[in-house]
Amino acid sequence: QSALTQPASVSGSPGQSITISCTGTTSDVGSYNLVSWYQQYPGKAPKIIIYEVSKRPSGVSNRFSGSKSGNTASLTISGLQAEDEADYYCCSYAGTSTFVVFGGGTKLTVL
Amino acid sequence: EVQLVETGGGLIQPGGSLRLSCAASGFTVSSNYMSWVRQAPGKGLEWVSVIYSGGTTYYADSVKGRFTISRDNSKNTLYLQMNSLRAEDTAVYYCSRSTTVTTFYYWGQGTLVTVSS
Repeated sequence: QSALTQPASVSGSPGQSITISCTGTTSDVGSYNLVSWYQQYPGKAPKIIIYEVSKRPSGVSNRFSGSKSGNTASLTISGLQAEDEADYYCCSYAGTSTFVVFGGGTKLTVL
Repeated sequence: EVQLVETGGGLIQPGGSLRLSCAASGFTVSSNYMSWVRQAPGKGLEWVSVIYSGGTTYYADSVKGRFTISRDNSKNTLYLQMNSLRAEDTAVYYCSRSTTVTTFYYWGQGTLVTVSS
């Protein structure tokens, strides 16, 4: 059981927008603006797409956006494209005891 | 160009030891947060350990006391010494250069560790 809760799967049609939630607690997501999101294709290393809740690394499409409200962080992908079909993971700092926690991952299917 | 290349994975019996290496190029390992993240077959990502530029280290509870993260500044290489290996340690192990504790900016290709008799 992962420390952060994500839906196992989400789907959308090309051009639509989808949102993936990442629910934690007051010990992690709710207390720190150190939430990041990763995209992973099968057999490949993860790639960072959002860091510090809502910042986008250079080269990442502005179709990807992040936000946070209370203990829940969210990743929104707008204008869905076939190439967005991948697994997505959230990650949060959780203090000096637990340190870093990941979500269980969400499989995005583009219909 | 930043590159991370992990080596050292393989098949090991339960209770055995293995040392993973992560050779870095394009930046200085000792000046950055460097982390190990693993992924069991068909499962999600799990943070394993981090070493700060100052040398402070942290570990996930699941590996504390069994794994040790270190670096060789002269070789610009990160290591993960894994002792008392268990079946549940079977995973692809990735090294990563982080800009904050949760911003795993650059990743290696990963090395597979299989713990089985």
